[in-house]
Amino acid sequence: DAGVTQSPTHLIKTRGQQVTLRCSPKSGHDTVSWYQQALGQGPQFIFQYYEEEERQRGNFPDRFSGHQFPNYSSELNVNALLLGDSALYLCASSFKGLANEKLFFGSGTQLSVL
Amino acid sequence: QQQVKQSPQSLIVQKGGISIINCAYENTAFDYFPWYQQFPGKGPALLIAIRPDVSEKKEGRFTISFNKSAKQFSLHIMDSQPGDSATYFCAATFLTSGTYKYIFGTGTRLKVLA
Repeated sequence: DAGVTQSPTHLIKTRGQQVTLRCSPKSGHDTVSWYQQALGQGPQFIFQYYEEEERQRGNFPDRFSGHQFPNYSSELNVNALLLGDSALYLCASSFKGLANEKLFFGSGTQLSVL
Repeated sequence: QQQVKQSPQSLIVQKGGISIINCAYENTAFDYFPWYQQFPGKGPALLIAIRPDVSEKKEGRFTISFNKSAKQFSLHIMDSQPGDSATYFCAATFLTSGTYKYIFGTGTRLKVLA
């Protein structure tokens, strides 16, 4: 049983560019959440997708957008990259029917903005 | 009010010792308190979790102690091993707009000396 998979593992971009990160949820999971983890900090909630719709959003600007596909996989898009966007981006999947919707994380995409 | 405050920021323990990490919260709507373990280059992995109607939960060498009146909970790692060296995050969740929102602490970097 494959867990949560994310691609790419590492990415280097320059300011102003756009980036797309991808996530495949754990088998049987229907919900995908994205988190940003800055160095030495805890994960910060970006948004959650369920049934191909954004269900909840954290305190992130509109430069951060996402999508969920019919197979439950998801993309995170960040436009007009800033130096401060450099972080580990984590995808977590869960199942709506499970108590407290326990999160299972992927290994993340390390984004560096130069 | 949605914050989870975690301490200490870092911890060094001798092999065989007890590691203790503390977290505090304000929001009484939180109803599930998981702990995550993260190794370098990996995403956080669920370690152990507790609900507020229980004062203690033990799984192997890991124990969560929960004090509802003080709004505090802690992770105890008994007989700490070098393989336990990792960053630990406490978290708290609550139901909002039909979905569970996770709030993470800032993390504790644990180093267990051989």
